[in-house]
Amino acid sequence: SQKIEQNSEALNIQEGKTATLTCNYTNYSPAYLQWYRQDPGRGPVFLLLIRENEKEKRKERLKVTFDTTLKQSLFHITASQPADSATYLCALLDSNYQLIWGAGTKLIIKP
Amino acid sequence: KAGVTQTPRYLIKTRGQQVTLSCSPISGHRSVSWYQQTPGQGLQFLFEYFSETQRNKGNFPGRFSGRQFSNSRSEMNVSTLELGDSALYLCASSTIPGDGYTFGSGTRLTVV
Repeated sequence: SQKIEQNSEALNIQEGKTATLTCNYTNYSPAYLQWYRQDPGRGPVFLLLIRENEKEKRKERLKVTFDTTLKQSLFHITASQPADSATYLCALLDSNYQLIWGAGTKLIIKP
Repeated sequence: KAGVTQTPRYLIKTRGQQVTLSCSPISGHRSVSWYQQTPGQGLQFLFEYFSETQRNKGNFPGRFSGRQFSNSRSEMNVSTLELGDSALYLCASSTIPGDGYTFGSGTRLTVV
């Protein structure tokens, strides 16, 4: 069956360190993958989109990698800050041009 | 530019009633998607509209319906409300289907 998985356990990181979140998928061949941030009670906010022919994408302190062989995307936040604490969602585009969402990983940055 | 606007922000309804939620996308965005979010289920896709046509529909019963108008504004309707319909309903818009989406703040629906 088709699945997209993110670590359901919260990730606790010390301020200033790099946070790395994982998104794994099975039985999909997505054209691209997106990452979003969601704060409690708010809608998700789009962060980055990476295409299947791109290995890495950067935006300020954010970096996303996409390995279509491993069927995995990694999302990195460098020099993490308490304000980065949120739930991070990955979503991939399936063959029907529909976004399929992971359940999200809660990131907690401790001062 | 103005973001995605969803109204109302909060809503309390009784079982058996029906409800209509509204979404105004970002100007120029022709794709509008609707999601249901609950703590246990995460983001569940309801449907997507592009240029007034429903492109995709999620695995929800026929009580959930939607439409899109010529100005790209969209509404979703839930009939015969059940307690399990209590959730945050999110609308998202993009220039084209599958592109980066901008979400609204959502409508918090409580069914009592």
